[in-house]
Amino acid sequence: AQSVTQLDSQVPVFEEAPVELRCNYSSSVSVYLFWYVQYPNQGLQLLLKYLSGSTLVKGINGFEAEFNKSQTSFHLRKPSVHISDTAEYFCAVSEREESNFGNEKLTFGTGTRLTIIP
Amino acid sequence: NAGVTQTPKFQVLKTGQSMTLQCAQDMNHEYMSWYRQDPGMGLRLIHYSVGAGITDQGEVPNGYNVSRSTTEDFPLRLLSAAPSQTSVYFCASSNQRFGTANSPLHFGNGTRLTVT
Repeated sequence: AQSVTQLDSQVPVFEEAPVELRCNYSSSVSVYLFWYVQYPNQGLQLLLKYLSGSTLVKGINGFEAEFNKSQTSFHLRKPSVHISDTAEYFCAVSEREESNFGNEKLTFGTGTRLTIIP
Repeated sequence: NAGVTQTPKFQVLKTGQSMTLQCAQDMNHEYMSWYRQDPGMGLRLIHYSVGAGITDQGEVPNGYNVSRSTTEDFPLRLLSAAPSQTSVYFCASSNQRFGTANSPLHFGNGTRLTVT
């Protein structure tokens, strides 16, 4: 069964500084990987996803993530954060199985709360 | 352009009371699901449905019932509320035909439930 670990529950960062939010996963098969963002008092929305191909994935709002199969990681990065990036970020994984296509379950990490310090 | 709509936004119940959390989507999505979000535990899947008339249990189904009589609606029922069900509940939908990879989950804005 798949699992996701986000070790950092909270990350404070100064405005315009770079940030990295860590995500590690566990699975016995190939996976799809996602980052979702939750702004205050809202539902989650997709930030970016890795399906296959290039290991560097670019998403919305200047975020990018790199898939590292050997380290089973999918860390999220942004070179310069803004106040508007204050949110909770969730890493998620689903397993790639042809037999389960269309019915894959997403497993979410526990989330990382990003706080931007002016 | 409504997307996924959840009602109510807030609810307070007494232990033992019942209620239904409503969820509706206007994107003709086949897949709908309910998650609960608790501090330090992320989102956990309660129940899901891959189409009208089809439902299945997720990770934490106990204490909750669902039904899917139409493509648009997927209500979540608490038959006898308990304090352990205090949480934020999210409904989400996606186009199941294309799978998780090509059809990300669309979330509602959540229902914050407190059981006293």
